[in-house]
Amino acid sequence: GAVVSQHPSWVICKSGTSVKIECRSLDFQATTMFWYRQFPKQSLMLMATSNEGSKATYEQGVEKDKFLINHASLTLSTLTVTSAHPEDSSFYICSASGYSYNEQFFGPGTRLTVL
Amino acid sequence: AQSVTQPDIHITVSEGASLELRCNYSYGATPYLFWYVQSPGQGLQLLLKYFSGDTLVQGIKGFEAEFKRSQSSFNLRKPSVHWSDAAEYFCAVGRGVTGGGNKLTFGTGTQLKVEL
Repeated sequence: GAVVSQHPSWVICKSGTSVKIECRSLDFQATTMFWYRQFPKQSLMLMATSNEGSKATYEQGVEKDKFLINHASLTLSTLTVTSAHPEDSSFYICSASGYSYNEQFFGPGTRLTVL
Repeated sequence: AQSVTQPDIHITVSEGASLELRCNYSYGATPYLFWYVQSPGQGLQLLLKYFSGDTLVQGIKGFEAEFKRSQSSFNLRKPSVHWSDAAEYFCAVGRGVTGGGNKLTFGTGTQLKVEL
């Protein structure tokens, strides 16, 4: 199957700072990428969908100014958590899909801890 | 709005025993249904999916699932569980377009423990 990577795998930052998380499709062109958030022992919640070269579409209740998503190329999408606060601490997961695929491929996730 | 319910938060089975994980969904149209497995440090892996056609779907690692429209269910089964199957299992329903562009709504997951 296709491979999706995320970097970093974990990050700790101070409250008020911004953090960028990268999601890369390593061996295919990702026309669509998704960002999810997972709280401990809970389900994955879709945050936004991004298509290459277009603005991301955010799910209801997700602050677009807080969670900036960029999908500038067919292999890279970034999620920037701006002015992070402790309540933003979570596990962030991306997934990607391409032209010839009928499924999403998930990255291993990034653990964000805001102090 | 679509939703997915996985009634069992935790399940413990003995190695070699059969397994069934329950999933019920709510969706106004024909659902696209998925089962994923999540292991620590690894991304979610697709076990199987249902888009249309035969309601009994075969997946990887010996898993299968049956779509029952009348019961709004998509239960995952395996005839003989291996210790390596211990993980978190998520059922999901896709909305929107077919294929990889589906927006997924996940259930809360079932943690499977396998006793040796």
